[in-house]
Amino acid sequence: AQKVTQAQTEISVVEKEDVTLDCVYETRDTTYYLFWYKQPPSGELVFLIRRNSFDEQNEISGRYSWNFQKSTSSFNFTITASQVVDSAVYFCALSEESADGLTFGKGTHLIIQP
Amino acid sequence: SQTIHQWPATLVQPVGSPLSLECTVEGTSNPNLYWYRQAAGRGLQLLFYSVGIGQISSEVPQNLSASRPQDRQFILSSKKLLLSDSGFYLCAWSVGVYNSPLHFGNGTRLTVT
Repeated sequence: AQKVTQAQTEISVVEKEDVTLDCVYETRDTTYYLFWYKQPPSGELVFLIRRNSFDEQNEISGRYSWNFQKSTSSFNFTITASQVVDSAVYFCALSEESADGLTFGKGTHLIIQP
Repeated sequence: SQTIHQWPATLVQPVGSPLSLECTVEGTSNPNLYWYRQAAGRGLQLLFYSVGIGQISSEVPQNLSASRPQDRQFILSSKKLLLSDSGFYLCAWSVGVYNSPLHFGNGTRLTVT
């Protein structure tokens, strides 16, 4: 079973629309961390946010916001008023004390059309 | 500030040839180092992980090996490449405990022909 599931393989929206990228995770650890990364066409992965399992407060950073809900094991990412520069592949990842490195989802390819 | 360098950016190699990808980190000491592979439609897969010189953990048994000859140098190798080794290879570093974010290099796109 996948530990991090990003069910949306590809999403295409028109610029200025809001878009939410879903992430569902699975872990037996009580302490864990969740991450979102952005991979633009150039290929490098850019770290966006980290959230620990004890902090369920939503976070907002400019047009980006994150909704962490332990009850549904989800850590969703919303981009408000999307822009063409937001076009990228977005990865959700899980870090567990019982495992090495980060476990990544398969990514969601977000296409923002002008 | 910390930087990570990974090279080459692109590589085309025939089946059966050797491989050596190099990654170096600057601006930090004793980082944790990682090699990930990204295959089309499969997300990022952790290949190797190192917490120190000469200490390598392998996550996936395969045709590849890794070495850490110096504190901030991480090398991915193969003696004989397979077609299935094609992919995008990413080196990353982190510091401290498991909850630290990983910081990635620009990646190497490997095509085995």
